[in-house]
Amino acid sequence: DTGVSQDPRHKITKRGQNVTFRCDPISEHNRLYWYRQTLGQGPEFLTYFQNEAQLEKSRLLSDRFSAERPKGSFSTLEIQRTEQGDSAMYLCASSETGDRTEAFFGQGTRLTVV
Amino acid sequence: DAKTTQPNSMESNEEEPVHLPCNHSTISGTDYIHWYRQLPSQGPEYVIHGLTSNVNNRMASLAIAEDRKSSTLILHRATLRDAAVYYCILSNQAGTALIFGKGTTLSVSS
Repeated sequence: DTGVSQDPRHKITKRGQNVTFRCDPISEHNRLYWYRQTLGQGPEFLTYFQNEAQLEKSRLLSDRFSAERPKGSFSTLEIQRTEQGDSAMYLCASSETGDRTEAFFGQGTRLTVV
Repeated sequence: DAKTTQPNSMESNEEEPVHLPCNHSTISGTDYIHWYRQLPSQGPEYVIHGLTSNVNNRMASLAIAEDRKSSTLILHRATLRDAAVYYCILSNQAGTALIFGKGTTLSVSS
């Protein structure tokens, strides 16, 4: 297993367009997390899945954002009607079920909205 | 979630030990202390975590104060590859998301 994989690595889109990112977690990791990171800031939590169930959503996740994890494997994060303020690095992480196990992060998808 | 306080930046020389402090005066009895680091253009990576006792692994050591209101991440011999942002995070529930602050930017000089 090569770790958490995210696709694409970079995305440039025009304001108002929809974009979708994919995350493939480490196999057998039940938990999957999405974060957003802007320059000079730490990652901000967006949402969290346990298997296919979305258990927690941050207030940062506006109604333009939607995340899914069908079948509890890969996950997608869609942003509708993108705005310039959506420009950021979108990070995915996964972890095993169990107490306080470490999270493994992907390298992220860099979104630029022009 | 209880908050942590870290210095914005620290500097070190290669081959020297580095002590990265973290204050968490409002820590609860069930909060674990986690450290992650983020190298440039990479996602964060796990470094170490602990509850009460000091912890050692191949990457670093974690020294936890007796009252648990502070902790120190120790890199025994800094290398240029250790230059990164180091995050100290508290988490008291298994599986809940880690909440990152701004962390400490560590610079390592040769």
